Amino acid sequence: SQQGEEDPQALSIQEGENATMNCSYKTSINNLQWYRQNSGRGLVHLILIRSNEREKHSGRLRVTLDTSKKSSSLLITASRAADTASYFCATPRKINSGNTPLVFGKGTRLSVIA
Amino acid sequence: GAVVSQHPSRVICKSGTSVKIECRSLDFQATTMFWYRQFPKQSLMLMATSNEGSKATYEQGVEKDKFLINHASLTLSTLTVTSAHPEDSSFYICSARHRGGYSYNEQFFGPGTRLTVL
Repeated sequence: SQQGEEDPQALSIQEGENATMNCSYKTSINNLQWYRQNSGRGLVHLILIRSNEREKHSGRLRVTLDTSKKSSSLLITASRAADTASYFCATPRKINSGNTPLVFGKGTRLSVIA
Repeated sequence: GAVVSQHPSRVICKSGTSVKIECRSLDFQATTMFWYRQFPKQSLMLMATSNEGSKATYEQGVEKDKFLINHASLTLSTLTVTSAHPEDSSFYICSARHRGGYSYNEQFFGPGTRLTVL
């Protein structure tokens, strides 16, 4: 079953603008991950944030996590046309289990217009 | 490091044939691999968990006789779609978890296999 729910489902912005995507989940987690997928391609791991972290940065990416609201956000600053892709959040299905699969949200399709 | 490959990347077959997809961890050992399926413009749905040397665990609604999974070594898992039909057309993605056991469930994804059944 889908645990993560992203919104918006689709987002279209101009190059240079910031893009914010949100993800909500339902169960307790020990980490949350964000992935990018270019059309027809595999997944690229962007960032992992642990449950005891509130914010994490990686280059132009900023991820926040609010475990009280069971939500996370991904901010891409100064977007580029190359950022056009689908973005998914994912959480481990079981907490404290090393071999648990990831449960993916529905994803946000981001289009950055040059 | 931590590269996962899939072969083939794209396959087109006739209805009724069987198709085998390989998932390899190239530079690490993976005791567990996962197989996901993705329909156009949709998210990834877990099909099964593949454990080296044991039977795969299938998700509810996934036919184990239809989607045969073999994880014969620590670097290779295969998914065979038997008697494929057009509704099996999809993007199949595998992921592998490092045997060393990173504590935060980090998985490494293959590039995916696009299956088209005519």
